[in-house]
Amino acid sequence: AQSVTQLGSHVSVSEGALVLLRCNYSSSVPPYLFWYVQYPNQGLQLLLKYTSAATLVKGINGFEAEFKKSETSFHLTKPSAHMSDAAEYFCAVSGHDFQKLVFGTGTRLLVSP
Amino acid sequence: DAGITQSPRHKVTETGTPVTLRCHQTENHRYMYWYRQDPGHGLRLIHYSYGVKDTDKGEVSDGYSVSRSKTEDFLLTLESATSSQTSVYFCAISERSGRDEKLFFGSGTQLSVL
Repeated sequence: AQSVTQLGSHVSVSEGALVLLRCNYSSSVPPYLFWYVQYPNQGLQLLLKYTSAATLVKGINGFEAEFKKSETSFHLTKPSAHMSDAAEYFCAVSGHDFQKLVFGTGTRLLVSP
Repeated sequence: DAGITQSPRHKVTETGTPVTLRCHQTENHRYMYWYRQDPGHGLRLIHYSYGVKDTDKGEVSDGYSVSRSKTEDFLLTLESATSSQTSVYFCAISERSGRDEKLFFGSGTQLSVL
């Protein structure tokens, strides 16, 4: 079985500051890991995914995440926040059975000028 | 845009009434999913389909049924709606290319059960 824990339901940063959104996973098999973003009144969009290739994964809009097996973590980072990054972010995990994708509870990112 | 349309976008109904939500896709993808999104729970899988007339239960399937009589349409039915089913419902399709797979989501249906 797989699960993810997102630390912090809300994260606030200033424009230009580092963004760090935390995700820890639990999986009984080698995991596939994902980050999705949701803008208001929209569905989720895939930011990036880890599928056992490179441990540092680059995604869209300047985001990246690093898979750390020893820490069971897959934290999302962006060097410099932009106002348009304000959204809710979801971490998700699956095994090779993609139909069992499990989402975290989400972290809302607030960006102040 | 993966060509996913959900209807209706908003629905208000009364407890005990049946409700059907529709998901329509234009790109002939095999896998389709229904999720519900609730504060503090993220997204939870209700049912999914892996082909015409082929469906399976997800994490929170109680009180819901689905049907897929055509590749392009995946229907979610609440036989007798309850207030606990007030939620935002998302349809998704998975697009597969070799060993790579991505989920694409519709814009959601806001359902309120009074």
